[in-house]
Amino acid sequence: TQLLEQSPQFLSIQEGENLTVYCNSSSVFSSLQWYRQEPGEGPVLLVTVVTGGEVKKLKRLTFQFGDARKDSSLHITAAQTGDTGLYLCAGGRSGGSNYKLTFGKGTLLTVNP
Amino acid sequence: DTAVSQTPKYLVTQMGNDKSIKCEQNLGHDTMYWYKQDSKKFLKIMFSYNNKELIINETVPNRFSPKSPDKAHLNLHINSLELGDSAVYFCASSQLPKRLLAGSYNEQFFGPGTRLTVL
Repeated sequence: TQLLEQSPQFLSIQEGENLTVYCNSSSVFSSLQWYRQEPGEGPVLLVTVVTGGEVKKLKRLTFQFGDARKDSSLHITAAQTGDTGLYLCAGGRSGGSNYKLTFGKGTLLTVNP
Repeated sequence: DTAVSQTPKYLVTQMGNDKSIKCEQNLGHDTMYWYKQDSKKFLKIMFSYNNKELIINETVPNRFSPKSPDKAHLNLHINSLELGDSAVYFCASSQLPKRLLAGSYNEQFFGPGTRLTVL
């Protein structure tokens, strides 16, 4: 069974602070996605990383895929209250017939004003 | 212009009842999914259909029966509801061919969820 471990599980910070969320596995994934889920809504895809060592930036969010494609990190610079939400990483495999994404258990981020 | 829609948004029912949740996507995607998110926010895959064909069937009680009348719809029927079925159920869709090719990535679009409460 492929598992994705996310840490920390909960994170409460003040507006303007920086933070990093981690997603780790003992398995190799061909792609790693990050989703954000706000209360009462479904997860929304933020980014997909596919190459070992790849770094992608989305405004104040920086995503990195580990060299061995087993781990990923999400770094937020100068957090804002609008960044509050549940951050989920999900690993995927291409090829064959495996349509399943493996989701981590999420990091619940609260950014206080 | 909702991409993935679910009805109802909230469902409160008594133990033992039978209920259905409907899902529709207007993205032209080939693959649709049902997920269950428990109180700890863990998102667990239940079923997936590709062009009306069942391709993922996780260890789910057979009281749960998905039905896909066409590739834009995936409904979930639940018989004899139990207290432990209380959760938020999400429908999702993605554009994937029947044979996954190298370079294709399972980017999923989720519906707003249906919060099911069994009393």
